[in-house]
Amino acid sequence: DTGVSQDPRHKITKRGQNVTFRCDPISEHNRLYWYRQTLGQGPEFLTYFQNEAQLEKSRLLSDRFSAERPKGSFSTLEIQRTEQGDSAMYLCASSLGDLGNTEAFFGQGTRLTVV
Amino acid sequence: GQQVMQIPQYQHVQEGEDFTTYCNSSTTLSNIQWYKQRPGGHPVFLIQLVKSGEVKKQKRLTFQFGEAKKNSSLHITATQTTDVGTYFCAGYSPGAGSYQLTFGKGTKLSVIP
Repeated sequence: DTGVSQDPRHKITKRGQNVTFRCDPISEHNRLYWYRQTLGQGPEFLTYFQNEAQLEKSRLLSDRFSAERPKGSFSTLEIQRTEQGDSAMYLCASSLGDLGNTEAFFGQGTRLTVV
Repeated sequence: GQQVMQIPQYQHVQEGEDFTTYCNSSTTLSNIQWYKQRPGGHPVFLIQLVKSGEVKKQKRLTFQFGEAKKNSSLHITATQTTDVGTYFCAGYSPGAGSYQLTFGKGTKLSVIP
């Protein structure tokens, strides 16, 4: 499968625990995005990488959230000291170049439940 | 910041009826993209509109981009059960160094057979 891959698909964690999600973009795509989606809402932008550089972060991204993309390939999103409000679907997307010229390809997402 | 509003939030139609969803941006867009998300699935790209007043068709789907590049619509003719899902518009406006898509809340389409 050459699409965007996310792992794990589901994660249940206790409040206060740390969690880490992984995204493997389509191999030649240099741009990678993280979005969060809650029930009945559209995807909300969290952060964006061009190659290994994190170029944009949403104000939604509190200090408990950190993302990396070492070597410009896969990316990880870590949430520290999880809260119930962090429960959501975390979507990763990638694109080959500027979204002014191309589309975003989304992964299946990681569904996080904080209990 | 940029906001994208989409109406209606829900639409229930009989199979064979038409369906339209509308999208409005608070700012002028460089382009607008439309995505479809099936229940339990992830957003899948449908189309991109770039030019002012642009109209594009994909079989029973017609997409329009407004003259001012601030609004857009998706019209489905003679809906089928395979059209079920949530349709999102997503605006792209790379001013001030922002290179991400801003999504509307989506219109959830239910088709009654």
